[in-house]
Amino acid sequence: SQTIHQWPATLVQPVGSPLSLECTVEGTSNPNLYWYRQAAGRGLQLLFYSVGIGQISSEVPQNLSASRPQDRQFILSSKKLLLSDSGFYLCAWSGTGFAGYTFGSGTRLTVV
Amino acid sequence: ILNVEQSPQSLHVQEGDSTNFTCSFPSSNFYALHWYRWETAKSPEALFVMTLNGDEKKKGRISATLNTKEGYSYLYIKGSQPEDSATYLCALGTSYDKVIFGPGTSLSVIP
Repeated sequence: SQTIHQWPATLVQPVGSPLSLECTVEGTSNPNLYWYRQAAGRGLQLLFYSVGIGQISSEVPQNLSASRPQDRQFILSSKKLLLSDSGFYLCAWSGTGFAGYTFGSGTRLTVV
Repeated sequence: ILNVEQSPQSLHVQEGDSTNFTCSFPSSNFYALHWYRWETAKSPEALFVMTLNGDEKKKGRISATLNTKEGYSYLYIKGSQPEDSATYLCALGTSYDKVIFGPGTSLSVIP
């Protein structure tokens, strides 16, 4: 069966520090991978999605970047965090067909 | 920018009551319509994905309908239970690889 792992679960980082959140998927190949963010009081916003290794689409201009170095690995990064980067980050994957997205457990990021 | 709207924003019902929420979306960009349940401290969980106008899907006490021509979907919960308390997200798929989420409807079922 397919599983998705996301870590860390919580993170407190100072403004200006770097960020790296990792997401891996098991039990499937060539998944579509996504990074979403939920800022306080708002819905889920799509940040990046990837349909293959090295292929990244960015949905909103921001202080973040994403990379997909391996088929089942998706990384969210920042060189210098801003206060506005605080939020709940979710990784998700989808395959072909219409089964919907499977989400990771999320990372609560607080930038102080 | 495509906008997916959900109403109401929040809802409180008594245990045993039936309830329904609405998701509205621009019909010109339709590829698929997703519903998710997001319980506190958990990840969103897919309930339904619908693609055809007039689709109706059911899972236990929860069902959903879809009207792609007018751009709306309804989610129904029959005989609400406390364990149904969650945020219900609807999401518009505009292509096979891209989905835009609505803000959600927060449901609280009072025992």
